[in-house]
Amino acid sequence: DGGITQSPKYLFRKEGQNVTLSCEQNLNHDAMYWYRQDPGQGLRLIYYSQIVNDFQKGDIAEGYSVSREKKESFPLTVTSAQKNPTAFYLCASSIGGREIPYEQYFGPGTRLTVT
Amino acid sequence: GENVEQHPSTLSVQEGDSAVIKCTYSDSASNYFPWYKQELGKGPQLIIDIRSNVGEKKDQRIAVTLNKTAKHFSLHITETQPEDSAVYFCAAHQAGTALIFGKGTTLSVSS
Repeated sequence: DGGITQSPKYLFRKEGQNVTLSCEQNLNHDAMYWYRQDPGQGLRLIYYSQIVNDFQKGDIAEGYSVSREKKESFPLTVTSAQKNPTAFYLCASSIGGREIPYEQYFGPGTRLTVT
Repeated sequence: GENVEQHPSTLSVQEGDSAVIKCTYSDSASNYFPWYKQELGKGPQLIIDIRSNVGEKKDQRIAVTLNKTAKHFSLHITETQPEDSAVYFCAAHQAGTALIFGKGTTLSVSS
């Protein structure tokens, strides 16, 4: 899991509540990513950020929001607008990636359960 | 946009046998193809990758081949061991976008 930390490992919330998942990296990577993983599915991109104070929507951004105020941090907020928030959430980072793709390294993940 | 298909979804082999997982991609502009191994409850780990200017890459028991004309790439694991049991994901990346992942292959190696 390298220098990427995600906390907490397990998170439980009631429906209708917003929840923020933490992702921190000490790899000095410029780019950071959030993926969602559901059973039997691949990883689907929620948001990504190539540089501080800039981020782009991925394939399934609806109901999620992010911020990138510091290079090492990329928190993800799951809002009450997300219809099916229960999933395994993975954060990743890479040196760069917009023009020349670099290796992405993943954190250990946060399993979110909303009831 | 890019679409990545991965086969098979499950694969069972005996210890010592070889395992092959295949992926196809749709966008000829994709130029980077990593493979990840994910153990239960953990984040994916990069095990090998290949760029479009190379046809084959090997790292001990693991190898990846790329056929740009046919737009497919494969992961080969030789002399499989029980600790190779995991879910394996392929992905494709093109400049200006992010990684697009296949749906994964669950590999089971029985001793």
